[in-house]
This record gives sequence, structure tokens and C-alpha cells, in this order.
Amino acid sequence: DAGVIQSPRHEVTEMGQEVTLRCKPISGHDYLFWYRQTMMRGLELLIYFNNNVPIDDSGMPEDRFSAKMPNASFSTLKIQPSEPRDSAVYFCASSSGGPQTGELFFGEGSRLTVL
Amino acid sequence: RKEVEQDPGPFNVPEGATVAFNCTYSNSASQSFFWYRQDCRKEPKLLMSVYSSGNEDGRFTAQLNRASQYISLLIRDSKLSDSATYLCVVPGNTPLVFGKGTRLSVIA
Repeated sequence: DAGVIQSPRHEVTEMGQEVTLRCKPISGHDYLFWYRQTMMRGLELLIYFNNNVPIDDSGMPEDRFSAKMPNASFSTLKIQPSEPRDSAVYFCASSSGGPQTGELFFGEGSRLTVL
Repeated sequence: RKEVEQDPGPFNVPEGATVAFNCTYSNSASQSFFWYRQDCRKEPKLLMSVYSSGNEDGRFTAQLNRASQYISLLIRDSKLSDSATYLCVVPGNTPLVFGKGTRLSVIA
């Protein structure tokens, strides 16, 4: 079975450019999560969706970040304009239970470097 | 107290050693806890769940101390392949707060 699929795996861009990260969750999972991981801050939840509806976006750093889930099999995380401090690994995860069930299935991550 | 705190390590242990990590949490209402494993430059994966006093799976034992609000992960007879970062996860007011992880290096 296919796991969570993220693209691109690596992206290097210049400050001010728009970045779009993509995620395909596991089929049948109705929860989708976007996390960001840095050495300093660890894994931080940015936003999560249930049945394609954003439930909690309190972790989104600022207006430069936006996320969408137009259907059950696709989500995007967009950063516009990007800044060097956005450099991190961005993980998408999905689950079949609620956020408290504990078992999230993560994609391999998108490693973003903003110069 | 931070929501989830872990000793970052690194813990450097020889093969065959027993090693234990602790994780403290602040949300006394949490009922379930989880340990994830993350290999270098890979994604986190669920290792164990802890719902009551503890859970054992082969060489791995997870224990919960509600009074002191900490969970522990014990690895017996450690293998080179156990080298990874172990993340403590606690459901909080927002979904699944992850600790920053404890790095383990098992040395031949």
C-alpha cells in the first residue's frame, strides 16, 4: 500500500519566492496534518484537516503561510513570500482516527532551503 | 513546565546495554502517550503506545508514572539498529505535541 506521498523532496529557493509543497494522504484517512521540523523547535504542528476542512490552524506562523485541501486525496502548503527562517523539513501526515489516537503516518518530508 | 520535555542526549551506549529515556509532560488530563522513532533524515514512525501503566514489546518497555507525570522508554540488549532519535508524544490541547526527541547512538 502506498504511504503518504509528499513532493518535492527537496527545494532550494531564494528569499521572496513562492513555495508550494504537496501531499497525498493514505487513501481512507480522513485526518491530514502539516508539521514543520527544525533543530531548534522540533516538530511543530502547523495545521490539520478533518474531511478536507481545516480544524486548527493556530500553528501557522503568519499570513505568509496558507494550506488547502481541495479533496480527500490532495493538500498543499504554500509559503509566499518565503524567508530564510522558513528553512525546515515540512512533513505531511495522515491518520484514520482522531488527533488523539496517536498513530500518524508521515510522509518522507519536503526539505526546504530558503537562501 | 513545557508541554513535553525530553533530555536531548545524545546517549552513547555499547551494544547489549540497557538504556532508558524519560519524558515529562504538563497536561495531567492526558490519557494516552506514544513513543515515535525517527531515523536520521527520515520521517517519524510510531514505536509504542502507552495507555495505562505500561506496555512491553520485545526489548522495548514503555512505562507511565501519572503521579510524577512522566513516561519512560527502556531498551534492553540494545542493537546498532536502535540508533535513532526517540520522540515522546503526548496528546494535548492541540493534537499530539511532540517532544524534541532523545538521540541514541549504539556503538559496536
